[in-house]
Amino acid sequence: AQSVSQHNHHVILSEAASLELGCNYSYGGTVNLFWYVQYPGQHLQLLLKYFSGDPLVKGIKGFEAEFIKSKFSFNLRKPSVQWSDTAEYFCAVALNGGSQGNLIFGKGTKLSVKP
Amino acid sequence: GAGVSQSPSNKVTEKGKDVELRCDPISGHTALYWYRQSLGQGLEFLIYFQGNSAPDKSGLPSDRFSAERTGGSVSTLTIQRTQQEDSAVYLCASSLSPSVRSGNTIYFGEGSWLTVV
Repeated sequence: AQSVSQHNHHVILSEAASLELGCNYSYGGTVNLFWYVQYPGQHLQLLLKYFSGDPLVKGIKGFEAEFIKSKFSFNLRKPSVQWSDTAEYFCAVALNGGSQGNLIFGKGTKLSVKP
Repeated sequence: GAGVSQSPSNKVTEKGKDVELRCDPISGHTALYWYRQSLGQGLEFLIYFQGNSAPDKSGLPSDRFSAERTGGSVSTLTIQRTQQEDSAVYLCASSLSPSVRSGNTIYFGEGSWLTVV
């Protein structure tokens, strides 16, 4: 079965530190890739998505992610985190061209940014 | 409304009772999804409606779970004879047709917190 792995359960950083959250998926076909963020007490929001084209995708709030097909990875990065980035981050995959219409989510990575 | 609306936002129920959770998708969105988010777990897909097609029920954990979508808009998730392990946040989401296979964004509601005591 297809799956999405997020290797870090909880990441703690100080403000201005650089961030990289890992995401790997297990599917050999064409995929669409997403990062969602859930701020405390809020609903899930889309950060960025990869559908086709440039594998380096830029999203909101200075986040970016790079799709590396050979590594089945879609890691999320931010050069300098802020306290307001404290949230839970979810990587998700949609199987492009398949019959499945839903997103497959990873278990999430909780990011805590210390002021 | 502007976003996906879910009700109730919080529900506490006794073990063995039935519960209904409601979802109002974004107007014009023909794809509707139900997910479950348990403590320490990711989002678990439950069921997916796409227009008038038969729903994809492959994620429903047991036959106590069912969902309907009336008139292609509002959806109700029903859990019969609730168990304590059903305690979770139930998230509804919607997207334009045709779904994420074409890169459409899924928009989530704020969820219904279900606690079974």
